Amino acid sequence: TQLLEQSPQFLSIQEGENLTVYCNSSSVFSSLQWYRQEPGEGPVLLVTVVTGGEVKKLKRLTFQFGDARKDSSLHITAAQPGDTGLYLCAGARGVQFYFGTGTSLTVIP
Amino acid sequence: KAGVTQTPRYLIKTRGQQVTLSCSPISGHRSVSWYQQTPGQGLQFLFEYFSETQRNKGNFPGRFSGRQFSNSRSEMNVSTLELGDSALYLCASSLGLAGAPYNEQFFGPGTRLTVL
Repeated sequence: TQLLEQSPQFLSIQEGENLTVYCNSSSVFSSLQWYRQEPGEGPVLLVTVVTGGEVKKLKRLTFQFGDARKDSSLHITAAQPGDTGLYLCAGARGVQFYFGTGTSLTVIP
Repeated sequence: KAGVTQTPRYLIKTRGQQVTLSCSPISGHRSVSWYQQTPGQGLQFLFEYFSETQRNKGNFPGRFSGRQFSNSRSEMNVSTLELGDSALYLCASSLGLAGAPYNEQFFGPGTRLTVL
Protein backbone atom coordinates (compact mmCIF):
# COMPACT_ATOMS: atom_id res chain seq x y z
CA THR A 1 0.00 0.00 0.00
CA GLN A 2 1.39 3.37 -1.09
CA LEU A 3 1.44 5.99 1.65
CA LEU A 4 1.26 8.85 -0.85
CA GLU A 5 -1.00 8.79 -3.90
CA GLN A 6 -0.43 11.14 -6.79
CA SER A 7 -2.92 12.12 -9.43
CA PRO A 8 -3.11 12.13 -12.29
CA GLN A 9 -0.66 9.36 -13.13
CA PHE A 10 -0.18 10.61 -16.68
CA LEU A 11 -0.78 14.06 -18.14
CA SER A 12 -0.29 15.25 -21.70
CA ILE A 13 -1.01 18.91 -22.42
CA GLN A 14 -0.30 21.59 -25.00
CA GLU A 15 2.32 24.25 -24.42
CA GLY A 16 0.80 27.25 -22.66
CA GLU A 17 -1.84 25.33 -20.71
CA ASN A 18 -2.07 25.23 -16.92
CA LEU A 19 -2.09 22.07 -14.83
CA THR A 20 -2.26 20.85 -11.26
CA VAL A 21 -0.78 17.69 -9.79
CA TYR A 22 -2.03 16.33 -6.48
CA CYS A 23 -0.28 14.38 -3.76
CA ASN A 24 -2.58 12.90 -1.12
CA SER A 25 -2.22 10.85 2.03
CA SER A 26 -4.07 10.00 5.20
CA SER A 27 -0.82 10.42 7.15
CA VAL A 28 0.75 13.56 8.55
CA PHE A 29 4.23 14.57 7.40
CA SER A 30 6.77 16.89 8.98
CA SER A 31 7.67 18.17 5.51
CA LEU A 32 6.98 17.43 1.90
CA GLN A 33 9.31 17.61 -1.08
CA TRP A 34 8.60 17.83 -4.79
CA TYR A 35 11.07 16.46 -7.33
CA ARG A 36 11.28 16.44 -11.12
CA GLN A 37 13.02 13.57 -12.84
CA GLU A 38 14.08 13.26 -16.46
CA PRO A 39 14.56 9.85 -18.12
CA GLY A 40 17.70 8.05 -16.97
CA GLU A 41 18.56 10.71 -14.40
CA GLY A 42 18.05 11.11 -10.68
CA PRO A 43 15.19 13.19 -9.24
CA VAL A 44 16.03 16.86 -8.74
CA LEU A 45 14.65 18.57 -5.67
CA LEU A 46 12.35 21.47 -6.60
CA VAL A 47 11.00 22.59 -3.25
CA THR A 48 10.43 21.64 0.39
CA VAL A 49 7.31 22.78 2.22
CA VAL A 50 7.20 22.54 5.98
CA THR A 51 4.32 24.51 7.46
CA GLY A 52 0.65 23.58 7.06
CA GLY A 53 -0.97 25.91 4.53
CA GLU A 54 2.39 27.03 3.19
CA VAL A 55 2.56 28.23 -0.39
CA LYS A 56 5.84 28.49 -2.29
CA LYS A 57 6.37 29.84 -5.78
CA LEU A 58 9.21 28.93 -8.07
CA LYS A 59 8.78 30.98 -11.28
CA ARG A 60 5.75 29.35 -12.98
CA LEU A 61 5.44 26.59 -10.37
CA THR A 62 3.30 27.01 -7.25
CA PHE A 63 3.48 24.48 -4.43
CA GLN A 64 1.01 24.22 -1.58
CA PHE A 65 1.12 22.15 1.59
CA GLY A 66 -2.27 21.22 3.02
CA ASP A 67 -3.36 22.77 6.31
CA ALA A 68 -3.22 19.37 8.02
CA ARG A 69 0.14 18.52 6.40
CA LYS A 70 -1.34 15.41 4.77
CA ASP A 71 -1.47 16.56 1.16
CA SER A 72 0.11 18.88 -1.34
CA SER A 73 -0.39 20.25 -4.82
CA LEU A 74 1.83 21.50 -7.60
CA HIS A 75 0.40 23.99 -10.06
CA ILE A 76 2.21 24.90 -13.28
CA THR A 77 1.18 28.00 -15.18
CA ALA A 78 1.73 28.26 -18.94
CA ALA A 79 3.50 24.92 -19.23
CA GLN A 80 6.54 24.68 -21.48
CA PRO A 81 8.17 21.66 -23.16
CA GLY A 82 11.02 21.97 -20.65
CA ASP A 83 8.55 21.10 -17.88
CA THR A 84 8.24 17.59 -19.31
CA GLY A 85 9.27 14.92 -16.83
CA LEU A 86 8.23 12.72 -13.94
CA TYR A 87 7.05 14.68 -10.90
CA LEU A 88 7.44 12.97 -7.55
CA CYS A 89 6.25 14.05 -4.15
CA ALA A 90 7.90 12.74 -0.99
CA GLY A 91 6.65 13.08 2.55
CA ALA A 92 9.07 13.03 5.44
CA ARG A 93 8.29 11.59 8.86
CA GLY A 94 11.37 12.06 10.97
CA VAL A 95 14.28 10.70 8.99
CA GLN A 96 12.16 8.47 6.72
CA PHE A 97 10.88 9.52 3.32
CA TYR A 98 7.80 8.14 1.58
CA PHE A 99 7.48 8.66 -2.14
CA GLY A 100 4.38 9.15 -4.19
CA THR A 101 3.48 7.10 -7.22
CA GLY A 102 4.61 9.83 -9.62
CA THR A 103 2.98 11.95 -12.33
CA SER A 104 4.42 11.73 -15.83
CA LEU A 105 3.94 15.07 -17.58
CA THR A 106 4.38 15.64 -21.29
CA VAL A 107 4.12 19.16 -22.67
CA ILE A 108 3.59 19.19 -26.43
CA PRO A 109 5.07 22.15 -28.34
CA LYS B 1 29.30 22.14 -3.09
CA ALA B 2 29.53 18.91 -5.06
CA GLY B 3 26.35 16.89 -5.41
CA VAL B 4 25.74 13.21 -4.86
CA THR B 5 27.83 11.06 -7.16
CA GLN B 6 27.24 7.47 -8.18
CA THR B 7 29.48 5.05 -10.00
CA PRO B 8 29.27 3.42 -12.37
CA ARG B 9 26.49 5.08 -14.38
CA TYR B 10 25.77 1.98 -16.43
CA LEU B 11 26.29 -1.72 -15.81
CA ILE B 12 25.46 -4.84 -17.76
CA LYS B 13 25.58 -8.17 -15.93
CA THR B 14 24.28 -11.66 -16.47
CA ARG B 15 22.00 -13.69 -14.25
CA GLY B 16 23.73 -15.20 -11.24
CA GLN B 17 26.49 -12.60 -11.08
CA GLN B 18 26.88 -10.10 -8.30
CA VAL B 19 27.32 -6.35 -8.52
CA THR B 20 28.54 -3.51 -6.30
CA LEU B 21 27.36 0.07 -6.73
CA SER B 22 28.98 3.08 -5.10
CA CYS B 23 27.62 6.36 -3.80
CA SER B 24 29.40 9.45 -2.46
CA PRO B 25 27.05 11.78 -0.56
CA ILE B 26 27.13 15.55 -0.33
CA SER B 27 29.88 16.69 2.00
CA GLY B 28 28.57 16.80 5.57
CA HIS B 29 25.66 14.45 4.92
CA ARG B 30 25.74 11.37 7.10
CA SER B 31 22.61 9.66 5.81
CA VAL B 32 22.62 7.68 2.59
CA SER B 33 19.53 5.96 1.25
CA TRP B 34 19.23 3.56 -1.67
CA TYR B 35 16.23 3.17 -3.95
CA GLN B 36 15.29 0.92 -6.82
CA GLN B 37 13.26 2.48 -9.60
CA THR B 38 11.43 0.51 -12.28
CA PRO B 39 8.65 1.59 -14.64
CA GLY B 40 6.18 -0.80 -13.07
CA GLN B 41 6.94 -0.36 -9.37
CA GLY B 42 8.09 3.23 -9.19
CA LEU B 43 10.57 4.25 -6.52
CA GLN B 44 11.11 1.53 -3.92
CA PHE B 45 13.12 2.09 -0.75
CA LEU B 46 15.94 -0.40 -0.16
CA PHE B 47 17.73 0.81 2.97
CA GLU B 48 19.22 3.78 4.72
CA TYR B 49 22.58 4.10 6.44
CA PHE B 50 23.54 6.70 9.02
CA SER B 51 26.97 6.88 10.58
CA GLU B 52 27.94 3.43 9.27
CA THR B 53 24.82 1.76 10.69
CA GLN B 54 21.77 0.56 8.81
CA ARG B 55 18.97 2.60 10.32
CA ASN B 56 16.02 1.68 8.11
CA LYS B 57 15.30 -1.16 5.73
CA GLY B 58 12.74 -1.71 3.01
CA ASN B 59 11.10 -4.92 1.93
CA PHE B 60 13.78 -6.46 -0.30
CA PRO B 61 15.35 -9.93 -0.14
CA GLY B 62 18.66 -10.54 1.57
CA ARG B 63 20.43 -10.58 -1.81
CA PHE B 64 20.41 -6.80 -1.50
CA SER B 65 22.86 -5.49 1.04
CA GLY B 66 24.79 -2.36 1.74
CA ARG B 67 27.34 -0.71 3.91
CA GLN B 68 28.59 2.71 4.78
CA PHE B 69 32.13 3.80 5.46
CA SER B 70 33.48 6.27 7.99
CA ASN B 71 33.60 9.00 5.33
CA SER B 72 29.85 8.43 4.70
CA ARG B 73 30.43 6.88 1.28
CA SER B 74 28.16 3.92 0.73
CA GLU B 75 28.10 0.79 -1.36
CA MET B 76 25.23 -1.42 -2.32
CA ASN B 77 25.68 -5.05 -3.31
CA VAL B 78 23.30 -7.35 -5.13
CA SER B 79 24.20 -11.02 -5.24
CA THR B 80 22.87 -13.75 -7.50
CA LEU B 81 21.37 -11.29 -9.96
CA GLU B 82 17.95 -11.97 -11.46
CA LEU B 83 16.39 -10.52 -14.60
CA GLY B 84 13.96 -8.60 -12.40
CA ASP B 85 16.82 -6.71 -10.78
CA SER B 86 17.20 -4.62 -13.93
CA ALA B 87 16.44 -1.10 -12.78
CA LEU B 88 17.76 2.37 -12.08
CA TYR B 89 19.40 2.34 -8.66
CA LEU B 90 19.35 5.70 -6.96
CA CYS B 91 21.28 6.94 -4.00
CA ALA B 92 20.15 9.92 -1.96
CA SER B 93 21.90 11.78 0.82
CA SER B 94 20.64 13.98 3.61
CA LEU B 95 21.80 15.33 6.95
CA GLY B 96 19.52 12.69 8.45
CA LEU B 97 19.22 14.37 11.83
CA ALA B 98 16.41 12.83 13.84
CA GLY B 99 15.83 15.98 15.87
CA ALA B 100 15.82 18.40 12.95
CA PRO B 101 12.60 20.27 12.06
CA TYR B 102 12.80 18.65 8.65
CA ASN B 103 15.19 16.75 6.40
CA GLU B 104 15.74 16.98 2.67
CA GLN B 105 17.08 14.29 0.36
CA PHE B 106 19.28 14.97 -2.64
CA PHE B 107 19.67 12.33 -5.31
CA GLY B 108 22.55 11.19 -7.42
CA PRO B 109 22.22 10.52 -11.17
CA GLY B 110 21.67 6.81 -10.61
CA THR B 111 23.22 3.60 -11.88
CA ARG B 112 21.37 1.86 -14.69
CA LEU B 113 21.74 -1.89 -14.15
CA THR B 114 20.77 -4.28 -16.91
CA VAL B 115 20.69 -8.01 -16.17
CA LEU B 116 20.78 -10.31 -19.19
